[in-house]
Amino acid sequence: QSALTQPASVSGSPGQSITISCTGTSSDVGDYNYVSWYQQHPGKAPKLMIYDVSNRPSGVSNRFSGSKSGNTASLTISGLQAEDEADYYCSSYTSSSAYVVFGGGTKLTVL
Amino acid sequence: QLQLQESGPGLVKPSETLSLTCTVSGGSISSSSYYWGWIRQPPGKGLEWIGSIYYSGSTYYNPSLKSRVTISVDTSKNQFSLKVSSVTAADTAVYYCARILSGPGNYLDYWGQGTLVTVSS
Repeated sequence: QSALTQPASVSGSPGQSITISCTGTSSDVGDYNYVSWYQQHPGKAPKLMIYDVSNRPSGVSNRFSGSKSGNTASLTISGLQAEDEADYYCSSYTSSSAYVVFGGGTKLTVL
Repeated sequence: QLQLQESGPGLVKPSETLSLTCTVSGGSISSSSYYWGWIRQPPGKGLEWIGSIYYSGSTYYNPSLKSRVTISVDTSKNQFSLKVSSVTAADTAVYYCARILSGPGNYLDYWGQGTLVTVSS
């Protein structure tokens, strides 16, 4: 059982916007701005898409944005494209240990 | 461009020790700005953090695996390694090595391609 809770799947049509949630606790998401998001295409390694809740690494499209409210972080993808179809994982610093916790992952389907 | 490459046996027998090495090229493993880590992903499942190491040898392990895991670093070869002892079928997974940005966020900004390790007799 993952420490961070994500919906198993979300879907959207090309051009639409979707949001993936990541719910933690006051020991992780709620009290720290150290949330990140990873994109993973089938058979490929994960790719860092968002860090520090809302920052994008160089080269990541500005269609990807992150936010946080209380114990829940969110990843929003606007202008959905076929290439966005992938699994997405959130991650957060946790004060309860010195290691990384991941969410269970969300499969995004572009209809 | 930084590259990480996992290597090691793809098949390990139950109760034996799984051993993998990650070779880093295009950058130094001795940089003070990074840690180096191992993450695994069972087939069809999510990501699991195994542990990480600093070039000085300081290690951090997932408590659920700590009793069976050892991570080491060889700065002369620009490599770090993973050993998991007493493996079972539950250890079957794609194992990734990654670079971790130093700091509380532990962001993994570069990953290896991953290597599938199957535990079976």
